[in-house]
Amino acid sequence: DTGVSQDPRHKITKRGQNVTFRCDPISEHNRLYWYRQTLGQGPEFLTYFQNEAQLEKSRLLSDRFSAERPKGSFSTLEIQRTEQGDSAMYLCASSLGQSREKLFFGSGTQLSVL
Amino acid sequence: QKEVEQNSGPLSVPEGAIASLNCTYSDRVSQSFFWYRQYSGKSPELIMSIYSNGDKEDGRFTAQLNKASQYVSLLIRDSQPSDSATYLCAVKSDTGRRALTFGSGTRLQVQP
Repeated sequence: DTGVSQDPRHKITKRGQNVTFRCDPISEHNRLYWYRQTLGQGPEFLTYFQNEAQLEKSRLLSDRFSAERPKGSFSTLEIQRTEQGDSAMYLCASSLGQSREKLFFGSGTQLSVL
Repeated sequence: QKEVEQNSGPLSVPEGAIASLNCTYSDRVSQSFFWYRQYSGKSPELIMSIYSNGDKEDGRFTAQLNKASQYVSLLIRDSQPSDSATYLCAVKSDTGRRALTFGSGTRLQVQP
């Protein structure tokens, strides 16, 4: 499979626990994006990387959220001290980073905070 | 005012009809426009991109862009029940934020 892959597909956790998600982008793509989507809404931008550099973070990304892309390949998104409001689908997307770039999404990680 | 606005629907059309989905955006410097299809429980799938004013056709899909009116639309001809999904409009600026900004989506139901 040469698409964007995300792991795990589902995560159930208790409030206050930390969770970490992983994203493996399409291999030749140098840009990687994290989005969050709740029911009935479109994806909301969280952050993006150009290679290993984190170039932009949304105001939605509180201090409890941190993302890394250490070698410019896979990325992790960690949420510390989870809250029920963090329950959402977390989507990763990648692109070639060119003008008129197109984003391709992974299957997402569905987080449920109890 | 939301940056990208779509009617949430549902938009219901009979099989074989033309479905028309609309989107308006607020950022005048937006340069790239995309339509994604999202089935329930699945991730968004890119179906069309458009960058210049006018129409762009791909199979049964036609995207229309009018930058002066800040309006982009998607037409689906000969709608099929398998087209039933949520259609997300996404907009990208070449300045400022580089990531796509999505609308909330329009749910399309194609009745057999």
